[in-house]
Amino acid sequence: EVQLVESGGGLIQWGGSLRLSCAASGFTVSSNYMSWVRQAPGKGPEWVSVIYSGGSTNYADSVRGRFTISRDNSENTLYLQMGRLRAEDTAVYYCARSRGPLYNDAFDIWGQGTMVTVSS
Amino acid sequence: QSVLTQPPSVSGAPGQRVTISCTGSSSNIGAGYDVHWYQQLPGTAPKLFIYGNNNRPSGVPDRFSGSKSGTSASLAITGLQAEDEADYYCQSYDSSLSVVFGGGTKLTVL
Repeated sequence: EVQLVESGGGLIQWGGSLRLSCAASGFTVSSNYMSWVRQAPGKGPEWVSVIYSGGSTNYADSVRGRFTISRDNSENTLYLQMGRLRAEDTAVYYCARSRGPLYNDAFDIWGQGTMVTVSS
Repeated sequence: QSVLTQPPSVSGAPGQRVTISCTGSSSNIGAGYDVHWYQQLPGTAPKLFIYGNNNRPSGVPDRFSGSKSGTSASLAITGLQAEDEADYYCQSYDSSLSVVFGGGTKLTVL
């Protein structure tokens, strides 16, 4: 079964760091474009970051310089290292797979999400 | 403030047809980038319902259809059913090199 399972969320203090994990099954993370998408309570989704199959990365302006996306091919797992966390980073964080190798392709597989709450 | 604009809510009676609009600009939808649509039920992750403007993934009823014109796109649902009640989001890509989403539309089946 094709599946993504996130973990690592929790309550963290303002300015702190946290690492999210996303374990994939049924497909190979390194062969796909993989993204992190977050959704603040009551808001629409917000794209956070992508790692392309070739290994290059891109970030939303709101997190560039604070967050780092990476993957472990041997573990078939995607990561998001988050630092200098702010209240506005509070959200459910989803990992998602792009349908195909296009920058603007749809996300066809989503994880169940992991909640990150930044307290002041 | 989302880059793509959607109406906060739409409603319709069972069996009726409703449409949800998604308005962008010349740097995203108007630049030719595809529009995708997701359905989100409470407490769950978004689920892909339309990709590439007007294509349905396997398992999505043919009551759902998408269209795109200029700087806007629309999701149409015919033969409205109670199970269609959910939040719907559009997604595209922007020339600023980022994926963009709409703010979402809550569909209520009366």
